[in-house]
Amino acid sequence: GAVVSQHPSRVICKSGTSVKIECRSLDFQATTMFWYRQFPKQSLMLMATSNEGSKATYEQGVEKDKFLINHASLTLSTLTVTSAHPEDSSFYICSAYSGGADTQYFGPGTRLTVL
Amino acid sequence: SQKIEQNSEALNIQEGKTATLTCNYTNYSPAYLQWYRQDPGRGPVFLLLIRENEKEKRKERLKVTFDTTLKQSLFHITASQPADSATYLCALVNSGNTPLVFGKGTRLSVIA
Repeated sequence: GAVVSQHPSRVICKSGTSVKIECRSLDFQATTMFWYRQFPKQSLMLMATSNEGSKATYEQGVEKDKFLINHASLTLSTLTVTSAHPEDSSFYICSAYSGGADTQYFGPGTRLTVL
Repeated sequence: SQKIEQNSEALNIQEGKTATLTCNYTNYSPAYLQWYRQDPGRGPVFLLLIRENEKEKRKERLKVTFDTTLKQSLFHITASQPADSATYLCALVNSGNTPLVFGKGTRLSVIA
């Protein structure tokens, strides 16, 4: 149990385009989902906290108009990187919290490369 | 500001030995401390959680200790195997639905 999926696993896009990443909790309902970003040899850095049916809470320094988060259901959150630039190239990872456990479950990550 | 330090960026040990990884933190009073394993190009996989009122937790070949006075956690892998080679992350959290604060990780290599 407690499986989280992400789609796509890998995406390459041109500078200026938008990319949508999906995060799904497959066998539980996630009241809260988190989006992290990880640069090479760096730790996971929290970007935003997403609660179902409400606006996401963004961390300082993360542009909400550039990283659009939608948590429309208890099993799906999406992160859209708008007008992507090469500096947005990174590993994006989501995690989901079910409400009944003490821990979060992570997705496998999405590798974004912006050319 | 909150700070988490994992003592080594990389650690090499011989197969069969015990690997010990350290996580120190400052300016934080976590309710839980967690350890994750991350393989290259993959998301973190949860290993163990230890609460602030627990001193030690075990799971198979894994053991975690938590000293809130020293603000330190030790993560041990006994009888290490090459398959244990990965990056191990410690993370602090106040409760299940609050964000995790991660250390940079220690890259463990178990040499056969």
